[in-house]
Amino acid sequence: DAGVIQSPRHEVTEMGQEVTLRCKPISGHNSLFWYRQTMMRGLELLIYFNNNVPIDDSGMPEDRFSAKMPNASFSTLKIQPSEPRDSAVYFCASSLKELAQDSDTQYFGPGTRLTVL
Amino acid sequence: AQSVAQPEDQVNVAEGNPLTVKCTYSVSGNPYLFWYVQYPNRGLQFLLKYITGDNLVKGSYGFEAEFNKSQTSFHLKKPSALVSDSALYFCAVRASRGGGKLIFGQGTELSVKP
Repeated sequence: DAGVIQSPRHEVTEMGQEVTLRCKPISGHNSLFWYRQTMMRGLELLIYFNNNVPIDDSGMPEDRFSAKMPNASFSTLKIQPSEPRDSAVYFCASSLKELAQDSDTQYFGPGTRLTVL
Repeated sequence: AQSVAQPEDQVNVAEGNPLTVKCTYSVSGNPYLFWYVQYPNRGLQFLLKYITGDNLVKGSYGFEAEFNKSQTSFHLKKPSALVSDSALYFCAVRASRGGGKLIFGQGTELSVKP
């Protein structure tokens, strides 16, 4: 299995530009999570989907952030407009949530390092 | 509210010595507990988890963790540390009832010196 795939691995952009981060979860997984990691705030959950439906987006910082999951094999996290304080590593993770066993393990992608100048 | 505390920002151990990385948690109901490891410029890798049953859980790379309900702790251990174990370690918790949201600790930097 290829694991969780994220692209791009690195993104450098200027303040005000739109940024789109992409994630392909592990095939067969039905839950997908977006995290942000910074030195100051550690690892924060931004949003997660179950069966392509957003379940909890309480961690999304503000309206500049949006996430979609149009199908089971693809998700995007968009920042528009981007600001320097958005600079961080963004991780995508996926898991298989089974009704009989609600102890799903999350598997992480390699992350996208975003730098907003 | 759920929370996780990793009281040590950094743990230093000599190669060959036992290591312990501490984690305490707070959750309503029964906890599901996880340990992840992060190497530089990499994503988090799953090490082990406690769901139910035996309080001593064995995981990848020779690591194990002990669930202690009375002390609400889930410390990560390894009998003999390797230099290659040097990395950032995260403890995480979620309640057995509810959604898939994991709460992560701030992480502990483990440094193993030869």
